[in-house]
Amino acid sequence: DVKVTQSSRYLVKRTGEKVFLECVQDMDHENMFWYRQDPGLGLRLIYFSYDVKMKEKGDIPEGYSVSREKKERFSLILESASTNQTSMYLCASSPQNQETQYFGPGTRLLVL
Amino acid sequence: GQNIDQPTEMTATEGAIVQINCTYQTSGFNGLFWYQQHAGEAPTFLSYNVLDGLEEKGRFSSFLSRSKGYSYLLLKELQMKDSASYLCAVIPGTNDYKLSFGAGTTVTVRA
Repeated sequence: DVKVTQSSRYLVKRTGEKVFLECVQDMDHENMFWYRQDPGLGLRLIYFSYDVKMKEKGDIPEGYSVSREKKERFSLILESASTNQTSMYLCASSPQNQETQYFGPGTRLLVL
Repeated sequence: GQNIDQPTEMTATEGAIVQINCTYQTSGFNGLFWYQQHAGEAPTFLSYNVLDGLEEKGRFSSFLSRSKGYSYLLLKELQMKDSASYLCAVIPGTNDYKLSFGAGTTVTVRA
C-alpha cells in the first residue's frame, strides 16, 4: 500500500511564526503536491514538485514556499504565518506519468 | 481559472441510490477523478474517467461525457459508511498532473 505521512495531525502557531509542514512518501513517487482545504472552496493547489530540487507554483502559492531535497520528502514552509493560513493542509504523491494521487492524512493548522 | 461545480450536500436513505453530478469548464481536459473523503481523513481514490462512458466498480459507478463537460458518481445500495464527502477533480493540462478540485459534495446516509 502507498503510504503518505505528514509530520503532525494538529498544529497551533502564532502569527508571524515560521511553520514547517513535512510530508514523506514511501513509494518512490516522483510527483508530490501540497494542497490546502477550506470549507466551500475544496482543495486548492499550493505547490508541486516533479523531481528532487524542482518545484512549481500551484494556484495559491503566495505566503508559502517549499523544499524538496530528497525524493521521498516534500516540505511546505509558511515564512510568517498569518491567521488566513488557518486551514487543513494535505500532501499527495503520484508516480511519474500516472494521474492518480495518493493523499496523506492532513495537518490541521490553527494560526492565532 | 478552472470551474468545477458539484452540489454541496445530498441526503439519502440506507439501501437507496444517490447520483452526484459534476460539471466542469476547464482550459483543457486530461481526465476526471472522484475521491471519497471521510471526516478528518485523507481523500481516497474512487475512480478515473478519461473516455466517455460508464465505469463500474462494485457499488460505485462513474460516468463521463466530455462533450457536455459532465460527470456523475453513482452510489448504489447505500450503506451508513458511505456518509462522506465526494470530491470531483479534473486534470486540465495535457503535460502535467495538476488536479483542479470541486468544493465537494457531502453525502449523509440515514437509516
